Amino acid sequence: DAGVTQSPTHLIKTRGQQVTLRCSPKSGHDTVSWYQQALGQGPQFIFQYYEEEERQRGNFPDRFSGHQFPNYSSELNVNALLLGDSALYLCASSSLRGDTQYFGPGTRLTVL
Amino acid sequence: EDQVTQSPEALRLQEGESSSLNCSYTVSGLRGLFWYRQDPGKGPEFLFTLYSAGEEKEKERLKATLTKKESFLHITAPKPEDSATYLCAVNTGGFKTIFGAGTRLFVKA
Repeated sequence: DAGVTQSPTHLIKTRGQQVTLRCSPKSGHDTVSWYQQALGQGPQFIFQYYEEEERQRGNFPDRFSGHQFPNYSSELNVNALLLGDSALYLCASSSLRGDTQYFGPGTRLTVL
Repeated sequence: EDQVTQSPEALRLQEGESSSLNCSYTVSGLRGLFWYRQDPGKGPEFLFTLYSAGEEKEKERLKATLTKKESFLHITAPKPEDSATYLCAVNTGGFKTIFGAGTRLFVKA
C-alpha cells in the first residue's frame, strides 16, 4: 500500500523566486492538506483540498496557492519567496473530513 | 481561539524510566485528538486517534488517554529508539487540524 509521497525532497531557491511542490496521497484517500513546519515548531495548516477545491485556508498570504488534480494529487505553489518561507513543507492525506491524516516525508525548502 | 499546548518542551529519560507527556487543549468542540511521532527531518508518523473523554489506546510501549481538557501519552520502559519529537493535534470539526509545538524525548541507554 503506497503511502503519501512528496517531491522534491530538498529544494534551494533565492528570494523572489517561485516554487512548486508536489504530493500524491495515500491510496484510497481523496483529501490533501498542506502544512509548513519551521524548525522546532509544530506543523502550521496552510490549506486543504477536496474535489479539486480549496476548502479552508490557514493564516497564510495569497503568495501560497494550491491545486488538486482529478487523480487527487496536489501541488503547492509559493510566489515571491521570502527568507522566512524556509521550512519543511508537509503534505497529509485523509479519506474523511477531520479523520486521521497520514503525512508524507516532506520537502525541505531553503530560501537564500 | 483554539489552542494546543504540549509539556514539557523536552524530556530526558534513562532507558526503562517510564514517564508521561501532556497535551492540553482549548477548543470550541473536539472531533478528534491525534498523536504523532516525528524523527528529525522526516514527516510525522501516525500513532493514535482519540475521539471522546475516557478513551484509551495502546501500541507497544505507548498508551494514549483523553479527558475533556487534556491528553496524556504514557511511555512505559522506554528504549533509545523511542527518542523523537511527539506531536499532539486536534480537529474541531472543520477542515483544519491544529498542532502543538511538540515534546522532544531523549532516551539514554
